[in-house]
This record gives sequence, C-alpha cells and structure tokens, in this order.
Amino acid sequence: EVQLQQSGAELVKPGASVKLSCKTSGYTFNNYYMSWLRQMPGQNIEWIGNIYGGNGGTGYNQKFKGKATLTVDKSSSTAYMDLSSLTSEDSAVYFCARTHYNSFIYVMDAWGQGTSVTVSS
Amino acid sequence: DIQMTQSPASLSASLGETVAIECLPSEDIYNNLAWYQQKPGKSPQLLIYYASSLQDGVPSRFSGSGSGTQYSLNINSLESEDAATYFCLQDSEYPWTFGGGTKLELK
Repeated sequence: EVQLQQSGAELVKPGASVKLSCKTSGYTFNNYYMSWLRQMPGQNIEWIGNIYGGNGGTGYNQKFKGKATLTVDKSSSTAYMDLSSLTSEDSAVYFCARTHYNSFIYVMDAWGQGTSVTVSS
Repeated sequence: DIQMTQSPASLSASLGETVAIECLPSEDIYNNLAWYQQKPGKSPQLLIYYASSLQDGVPSRFSGSGSGTQYSLNINSLESEDAATYFCLQDSEYPWTFGGGTKLELK
C-alpha cells in the first residue's frame, strides 16, 4: 500500500524557517516525482514545485523560488521541503503528493495527509 | 501562468441526480487535466487524469471529458458520499495551476 506520512503541525515565529518531511513507503521512491502543494485556509490549492526521487532534479513555481527548497533522502525514501523567512502569509496546510510521469503525462495520484504551518509571534 | 476558470463555484443537487462541473483553461492544455475530490480536513483524492482516464478504484459514475480549452467532470447517480469540493488541475505547463473549486452539496 502506498503511504505518504507527513510531519506534524508546526507553530513558528515570523522570520523563522521550517523543514517539512514526507516519509514514503509501498513503492519505489526513485521512480517517482514528489510534488509539494499549499492550501491556505478556505482557498485554492497552489503547486509549489516537484522533485525527482531518482536524481533530485527540481521544478519550481516561480512564485515560491527563494521561499521553498525541495530535497530528497533516497536512503530513507523521504522528501523534504524547507520554507524560509516565514510570514503570516505562509500560514497554510502543505501537502506532498506522489507524482507519476509516463509518456509525457504527469499524475499526482497519492497525497500525504497534510502539515499545518502557523506563523505567529 | 495558465488560468483555470472553474464553474459553478457551488452546486446543490439531490441523490440520484447527474451533475456537471466545467473547467476552462486560458490556453490549450492538450488534455493534461485532472480532477480531484476533497472532503473537509482531508487531502485531495484523484478521480480523473489526462482529461478522461478514470483512476483505479474510483466509481464509474465519475467521468471526464473535453479537450483543448474546455473540460468537464460528470457525476452520475449522485450518492451521499459525493458531497465534497472538486478541483481541476492543469499539469500541461509549469506552474501547474488549479481551478477555484466547486463545492457540491447534497439536498
């Protein structure tokens, strides 16, 4: 069974950084991308970027460049996202999503449960 | 960025009815469109990918259609468990972008 287990809720101060994790099991980590997404309270979902498990190659939404940094640890089949210089605008639920790529088609087919990040002094 | 215009924003329907949700990309996305269902406090679940391919395990009352700059999700014979918010996503071009969502309420 494919599982994506995200780290727990975070309460962080403005200006701080936080590192979110997404630990996977049930599939070959190296063969898939991992996408990261943000959902602000009651709002639309935004795609932050993705990273390939095999070689760490990344693609980012320009909006999040400098804000989010994606990495992977193949040895533990875990994906990470660092968020820096946090402000109240970054308070949201962040999701990771396994992303399959085949024949020029991407599919985000399994999602983590989400991590709530609250930025407050 | 490709803008995804989704309609309606909300929808109320009765059990057993059929409903349709539309998504209009601002440019041709060559069928690179997915539909997701999200229930409160839960993560989105994939229903349809590549415009019309049904994800494994998703009931056949869900179907997707469309091409170019017009796509739709149809839900036949509504069941109570279908009450949720539905999103479209284009993954044709970075950055991938979502529609604004359709909240489906069952009467």
